[in-house]
Amino acid sequence: GAGVSQTPSNKVTEKGKYVELRCDPISGHTALYWYRQSLGQGPEFLIYFQGTGAADDSGLPNDRFFAVRPEGSVSTLKIQRTERGDSAVYLCASSLGDENTEAFFGQGTRLTVV
Amino acid sequence: TQLLEQSPQFLSIQEGENLTVYCNSSSVFSSLQWYRQEPGEGPVLLVTVVTGGEVKKLKRLTFQFGDARKDSSLHITAAQPGDTGLYLCAGEGGSNYKLTFGKGTLLTVNP
Repeated sequence: GAGVSQTPSNKVTEKGKYVELRCDPISGHTALYWYRQSLGQGPEFLIYFQGTGAADDSGLPNDRFFAVRPEGSVSTLKIQRTERGDSAVYLCASSLGDENTEAFFGQGTRLTVV
Repeated sequence: TQLLEQSPQFLSIQEGENLTVYCNSSSVFSSLQWYRQEPGEGPVLLVTVVTGGEVKKLKRLTFQFGDARKDSSLHITAAQPGDTGLYLCAGEGGSNYKLTFGKGTLLTVNP
């Protein structure tokens, strides 16, 4: 596709459940980022992939959060044992990589944990 | 930890007015990007500044990177209702290519 695609656009889940959020980056972009944005805040870095590997996962809040990018394209953010505090918009972005950090964002997945 | 502080947090002005928003840090950034975000959408890149003292213009928007590459400003001339949105600055601070975002300035331009 022409842009970064995220699915689902909205997800409501019960506390304690497991969720997966998907990101399909722009074709050819080697760098992929996950951010979390709470209401009234700027995006908060979670994890950065260069190719298949997680180059920086320092933003993942705890071990309930995990992300993969097995073939260097699509990425999945996985959240185990969801908590109400996980409710936020999860944004994915991609860039050409290497020294080009100009990021193109998807529309986000709004996660609500009830 | 590199932090970016944006000010003001909220700004409400009338159509036709000029405004400036600021992005400040104690850290040096390799580059700094400005984004605009509308409700329900992801941020959209407006500009990237790389060189200290650099000025870039995008129609009625003027972006400046501080000489020391620690701060930046965005000036909008003759604001229009279509300029309404959340303006975010993001700094890239080194070899890890991670972007650090400020909390944003929420701009409302009233007709």
